[in-house]
Amino acid sequence: NAGVTQTPKFQVLKTGQSMTLQCAQDMNHNSMYWYRQDPGMGLRLIYYSASEGTTDKGEVPNGYNVSRLNKREFSLRLESAAPSQTSVYFCASSEGRGAGELFFGEGSRLTVL
Amino acid sequence: EDKVVQSPLSLVVHEGDTVTLNCSYEVTNFRSLLWYKQEKKAPTFLFMLTSSGIEKKSGRLSSILDKKELFSILNITATQTGDSAIYLCAVRTKSGYSTLTFGKGTMLLVSP
Repeated sequence: NAGVTQTPKFQVLKTGQSMTLQCAQDMNHNSMYWYRQDPGMGLRLIYYSASEGTTDKGEVPNGYNVSRLNKREFSLRLESAAPSQTSVYFCASSEGRGAGELFFGEGSRLTVL
Repeated sequence: EDKVVQSPLSLVVHEGDTVTLNCSYEVTNFRSLLWYKQEKKAPTFLFMLTSSGIEKKSGRLSSILDKKELFSILNITATQTGDSAIYLCAVRTKSGYSTLTFGKGTMLLVSP
């Protein structure tokens, strides 16, 4: 019953450090997404992968890179973290091509000092 | 630019009250509208609406879509403290590969 699993759940970074958020889903979904959630801002899409082998920018991609490693895994990398990237990050997946509901992971809380 | 606006942004009610949460949207090529509930962690799916006037219902929660006036409402009757959460509305469009555009959410607090 794992669904969407994100690691780590919490991370504190210093400005300029790099890190990768990992996400894996076991539902055989084609599409995967990374969102960030900030107070009063709702969920904003960073990057998504419509299918294995493809990635596309969302609403707020600056400062991030992604890799769709295989059908199960989609990672988000911060190359040089900035305080503005302090946020809660959610990975999500969905079955089809832009259809149906999204299933979310439990979130990763990142603080950049 | 697609826009999803939820109101109110926050709401406090007493247990047993009925609440109505609103979601209006301005998007090109509307496809569907989704409601999520977010407690402490991951948002969980409530409803997906694609047709006007057809109510979706699950227990004490119900939702309806008006595609002419471009809004949806989420009703919760006989509220319980367990209904306290952020309720998120999201809209999907038809153009190309469409992702979900989320509103800012309504934070509902149900007091005992």
